[in-house]
Amino acid sequence: DTGVSQDPRHKITKRGQNVTFRCDPISEHNRLYWYRQTLGQGPEFLTYFQNEAQLEKSRLLSDRFSAERPKGSFSTLEIQRTEQGDSAMYLCASSQKLAGYQETQYFGPGTRLLVL
Amino acid sequence: AQSVSQHNHHVILSEAASLELGCNYSYGGTVNLFWYVQYPGQHLQLLLKYFSGDPLVKGIKGFEAEFIKSKFSFNLRKPSVQWSDTAEYFCAVNLYGGATNKLIFGTGTLLAVQP
Repeated sequence: DTGVSQDPRHKITKRGQNVTFRCDPISEHNRLYWYRQTLGQGPEFLTYFQNEAQLEKSRLLSDRFSAERPKGSFSTLEIQRTEQGDSAMYLCASSQKLAGYQETQYFGPGTRLLVL
Repeated sequence: AQSVSQHNHHVILSEAASLELGCNYSYGGTVNLFWYVQYPGQHLQLLLKYFSGDPLVKGIKGFEAEFIKSKFSFNLRKPSVQWSDTAEYFCAVNLYGGATNKLIFGTGTLLAVQP
């Protein structure tokens, strides 16, 4: 169990550029979540996948945001035409869906995005 | 809408003092409850969780939390804090068996322990 990993850890970009973040979940975890955290706030849910299916998207996820999880393994989160308001920490979490509803999410180190 | 409130935004304690951080949630159904901790420069780590059974749960590093259903609360406690407990603490809930499995987080409590 190597934990959830995210890449890059930091990203600085200019407004209007596209950025893509990657998340590698704990192996064999079938659920993967993306959250966004801004200063002074707790993480806010963006979207989640069970295997390769994207099952829910928050209204926070505008049309400029897209997430994928091909083959149910790693996931990517892309932000197109970045805006200064996109500056935040983007967190990935994974979990194993077992019988019942006792599910624990484990978080990665996050990707800190700064849009200039 | 489901929400989580953490009443203490900043707490400063001396070593060996007792700690209690409040967490209340708004949802009438069954919930799963969590406390996560973020140490300086590190990622969110699970401190403890409650799914069912004994409402007093014990976590890592001597922390415990008590689920009081009638008060919609899940307060975190530690009898004697250490300098190494300096961190930000987040309470989180999700719906038991709901259509969504997302976690709803509180705004966090920043704990500073003075040596």
